[in-house]
Amino acid sequence: DAGITQSPRYKITETGRQVTLMCHQTWSHSYMFWYRQDLGHGLRLIYYSAAADITDKGEVPDGYVVSRSKTENFPLTLESATRSQTSVYFCASSGAGGPSTDTQYFGPGTRLTVL
Amino acid sequence: SQELEQSPQSLIVQEGKNLTINCTSSKTLYGLYWYKQKYGEGLIFLMMLQKGGEEKSHEKITAKLDEKKQQSSLHITASQPSHAGIYLCGATPDAYSGAGSYQLTFGKGTKLSVIP
Repeated sequence: DAGITQSPRYKITETGRQVTLMCHQTWSHSYMFWYRQDLGHGLRLIYYSAAADITDKGEVPDGYVVSRSKTENFPLTLESATRSQTSVYFCASSGAGGPSTDTQYFGPGTRLTVL
Repeated sequence: SQELEQSPQSLIVQEGKNLTINCTSSKTLYGLYWYKQKYGEGLIFLMMLQKGGEEKSHEKITAKLDEKKQQSSLHITASQPSHAGIYLCGATPDAYSGAGSYQLTFGKGTKLSVIP
């Protein structure tokens, strides 16, 4: 089915390890986003991308790296995971018509635990 | 930066009752999104409201945008157990002016429980 998928859905890792969360969308949307969701903070934007090879920081980018070599993929890497990065991570995508016309559609999320 | 405050934080209603959730912005609202989230799942898009006092309805859910109050409300009529979940509002920081306007700010959510 077309849509936006994330993998893995659940991940447990240890402090200091590198972790990559994958996001794939089949709509050919220009924009892709990574959010984290934490109790008490709600959803916060980590990074976003306007097109392949164009990325920009969101509200909480420290400790994360993104890349976008293909329009449909937007991986998020935690280079050296810390316990404070334990969270639920959501990927989203939208068309390029502008936020007043194009909706952001969200993936199912990845629950990451850093021990 | 824009902040969104949702009220109430949680709500328990009897099946069949009506309810309203509010989302108030610290800045002018240009675009307002409502999403629903069930535990352990992603966000499901409900409605998007644009500047201009817009109102939209889908099945038993109606959302309104009041520019003067910088507020949006989500109203559910004759609630059902299927309406239970967390409702989130999200807003664009300004009118469309480039990539930065895609950065949605979200409220912390309203948890709705519907008792059969």
